[in-house]
Amino acid sequence: DAGVIQSPRHEVTEMGQEVTLRCKPISGHNSLFWYRQTMMRGLELLIYFNNNVPIDDSGMPEDRFSAKMPNASFSTLKIQPSEPRDSAVYFCASSLAGTADTQYFGPGTRLTVL
Amino acid sequence: DQQVKQNSPSLSVQEGRISILNCDYTNSMFDYFLWYKKYPAEGPTFLISISSIKDKNEDGRFTVFLNKSAKHLSLHIVPSQPGDSAVYFCAASPSSGTYKYIFGTGTRLKVLA
Repeated sequence: DAGVIQSPRHEVTEMGQEVTLRCKPISGHNSLFWYRQTMMRGLELLIYFNNNVPIDDSGMPEDRFSAKMPNASFSTLKIQPSEPRDSAVYFCASSLAGTADTQYFGPGTRLTVL
Repeated sequence: DQQVKQNSPSLSVQEGRISILNCDYTNSMFDYFLWYKKYPAEGPTFLISISSIKDKNEDGRFTVFLNKSAKHLSLHIVPSQPGDSAVYFCAASPSSGTYKYIFGTGTRLKVLA
């Protein structure tokens, strides 16, 4: 199994630009999570999808952030417009059971906004 | 305000010795706790959990201790090995079987050969 795949692995962009992060969950997993990791706040859950439907987006910081899951094998996290404070590592995770202790994380996307 | 705190950003331990990673929390409603391990350029992986009905859970070289009255948990690694060098996150939730956990900021452990 290839595991959770994220792209790109690194992204450097300028303030104001649109950024799209991509995730392919493990085949057969019906739960998908997006997290953000920063030194100051640790890992924060941004959004949780179950069967492609957003269940909990309370962690999405503001309207500049949006996430979609058009099908069971693909999800995107978009930031528009990006700001320097969005610089972080963004992780996607998938799970069959939907619980935190059964999540498999991708390698992350390191985003730098200049 | 950080509800789950890992006050030591880093820790260095000699190979073969005990590593103790600490985690404090402020919310008395937290009842279930997880530890994750993260290697560079990889995502976190689940390591061990503990429920508030226990004060200790052991899995091989890894043991987690919970002191509910002090709102404190710790992860012990005995003996420490160079392959244990990673960032360790603790996380807490009011219940088990949920997806929603509050994570700490992590402690970077370096085990010296």
